[in-house]
Amino acid sequence: DIQMTQSPSTLSASVGDRVTITCRASQSISTWLAWYQQKPGKAPKVLIHKASTLESGVPSRFSGSGSGTEFTLTISSLQPDDFATYYCQQYNGDSRTFGQGTKVEIK
Amino acid sequence: EVQLVESGGDLVQPGGSLRLSCAASGFAFSTYSMNWVRQAPGKGLEWVSYISTGSSTIYYADSVKGRFTISRDNAKNSLSLQMNSLRAEDSGVYYCARGIQGSDYWGQGTLVTVSS
Repeated sequence: DIQMTQSPSTLSASVGDRVTITCRASQSISTWLAWYQQKPGKAPKVLIHKASTLESGVPSRFSGSGSGTEFTLTISSLQPDDFATYYCQQYNGDSRTFGQGTKVEIK
Repeated sequence: EVQLVESGGDLVQPGGSLRLSCAASGFAFSTYSMNWVRQAPGKGLEWVSYISTGSSTIYYADSVKGRFTISRDNAKNSLSLQMNSLRAEDSGVYYCARGIQGSDYWGQGTLVTVSS
């Protein structure tokens, strides 16, 4: 199975900060990658698919980039509603592995 | 309105079996691939299984291969997960999720607890 490694595991930031989360795949997945946001007690919400395509209704402060094995999720100006846990997920071939998650906390 | 409603979660002993169901409404179920994803208490998301629109393509995570079986009934707009030989590490909230390129709709989840 393809392994996905996210970094950092936890990130402390302030409102207005630019935040970047990295996701690395154990082998090339082209651009078959999605990013999700999850808040406690809630189902995940998809933010981006195909590495950089923003889902409808998702604020433009969220952006994704990368291809092959290295990907990033960037929040250009962190807002109070953005404090949550973020996951990447690859969907290449016969598996759909998630990264271990990055918790974005208030600094 | 798109809705996915899971059911069937319960407390079961190690080695036991359970069948989860997901009832879909508000969209053309037969035209969407579906997934099961689980989350152990306080842990991250773990993809469990995928099924294509016509059930011709099915994938499983290594951790459940040979023990779990995914299926769908497009006439009844339903998705199922048959779970056998359950282990403590199978405990968690199980979500059904729609889609192949990032899951855009998720159910509220159903709780499975494997414990003696």
